[in-house]
Amino acid sequence: DARVTQTPRHKVTEMGQEVTMRCQPILGHNTVFWYRQTMMQGLELLAYFRNRAPLDDSGMPKDRFSAEMPDATLATLKIQPSEPRDSAVYFCASRGWDARTRDEKLFFGSGTQLSVL
Amino acid sequence: DQQVKQNSPSLSVQEGRISILNCDYTNSMFDYFLWYKKYPAEGPTFLISISSIKDKNEDGRFTVFLNKSAKHLSLHIVPSQPGDSAVYFCAASGGRGATNKLIFGTGTLLAVQP
Repeated sequence: DARVTQTPRHKVTEMGQEVTMRCQPILGHNTVFWYRQTMMQGLELLAYFRNRAPLDDSGMPKDRFSAEMPDATLATLKIQPSEPRDSAVYFCASRGWDARTRDEKLFFGSGTQLSVL
Repeated sequence: DQQVKQNSPSLSVQEGRISILNCDYTNSMFDYFLWYKKYPAEGPTFLISISSIKDKNEDGRFTVFLNKSAKHLSLHIVPSQPGDSAVYFCAASGGRGATNKLIFGTGTLLAVQP
């Protein structure tokens, strides 16, 4: 089964440190999304890419967050410097064809649980 | 501004009964709606969807109803099973194309009691 792979699964860091989260989308999926799950906001869209080009990053705090796709098999989300309010689960998702529903769907990774102390 | 709202953070239902999860949206440009299910320590997985040209879509025990005039959709699970216990996210999009972003709600935690 093809799946979206995210690393690390868990990250504990201290305030002010740089955090890098990585995502390997499903091979052949050209649209990649970063979401953040919080209790108050649910699944917030941070940024997304189509064919490695950023389409929308309006959901991201620009001063400390950055998202890139160095190549088609890797998407990164960086936070520098990290703050306690960044503690959340960060999900990557890629969009592609779902053979069961015969439609394009989002497929999510298992997420990175980030704790900033 | 929350464009997709799930006003019930949690719902508890007895096994075998019907579970009804509700979702409201504010953006009239949304024309494609989905439900995702999420178990702990896993990513959300697609459950069922509906296009705005329909008012109902059924897949086994799961049915989604869309009321465009009220900007409201609901997910019905009949009969509910303990394995359905999860967080359910409603999502909306302005189209089904690959470049359209999916806006999610805050989620509803469903607990199905044996």
